[in-house]
Amino acid sequence: DAGVTQSPTHLIKTRGQQVTLRCSPKSGHDTVSWYQQALGQGPQFIFQYYEEEERQRGNFPDRFSGHQFPNYSSELNVNALLLGDSALYLCASSLPLGGPSSYEQYFGPGTRLTVT
Amino acid sequence: AQSVTQLDSQVPVFEEAPVELRCNYSSSVSVYLFWYVQYPNQGLQLLLKYLSGSTLVKGINGFEAEFNKSQTSFHLRKPSVHISDTAEYFCAVNSGNTPLVFGKGTRLSVIA
Repeated sequence: DAGVTQSPTHLIKTRGQQVTLRCSPKSGHDTVSWYQQALGQGPQFIFQYYEEEERQRGNFPDRFSGHQFPNYSSELNVNALLLGDSALYLCASSLPLGGPSSYEQYFGPGTRLTVT
Repeated sequence: AQSVTQLDSQVPVFEEAPVELRCNYSSSVSVYLFWYVQYPNQGLQLLLKYLSGSTLVKGINGFEAEFNKSQTSFHLRKPSVHISDTAEYFCAVNSGNTPLVFGKGTRLSVIA
């Protein structure tokens, strides 16, 4: 059973460019969350997608947007990249909303984004 | 709003010695608590979780943690560490289907 997968592994972009990161959830999971982890920090919540809708959003600007597809996979898009967007971007998936089994999130290996 | 404080940014410990990584949380509602481990250049792996029931929770790799509601703590312990336990450890909290809120992490360094 494949866990959460993310692509690409690494990415280098220039300031002002746009980037798209991709995530496939663990089998049986329908909810996808995205986190940003700056160097030396804990992950910070960006947003969560459920049933192809943005369900919750953290304190990130509108330059950060996302999408969820019918197969539950998801994309994170960042426009007008800034140097401060350099970070590890983590995708997490969880079981269908309901009881405590849905509270646990499974993380992918992340995409390392470097903005120069 | 919820918050997590990991009291030690770095913890050096000798191999086969016991270790405790401290975590305190703040929340106005019921919480669910998690410890994750992150090895260099990798994602997060769940070590253990507290959802309900017994306050002493056992996880993978010999780790355990105790939920203390009165002290709002969820400290992680291992009786005897190995070199392979060297990693970054994150404590996290949520209130069900809400986003995880993470601490800043504790770097555990096991010395041979």
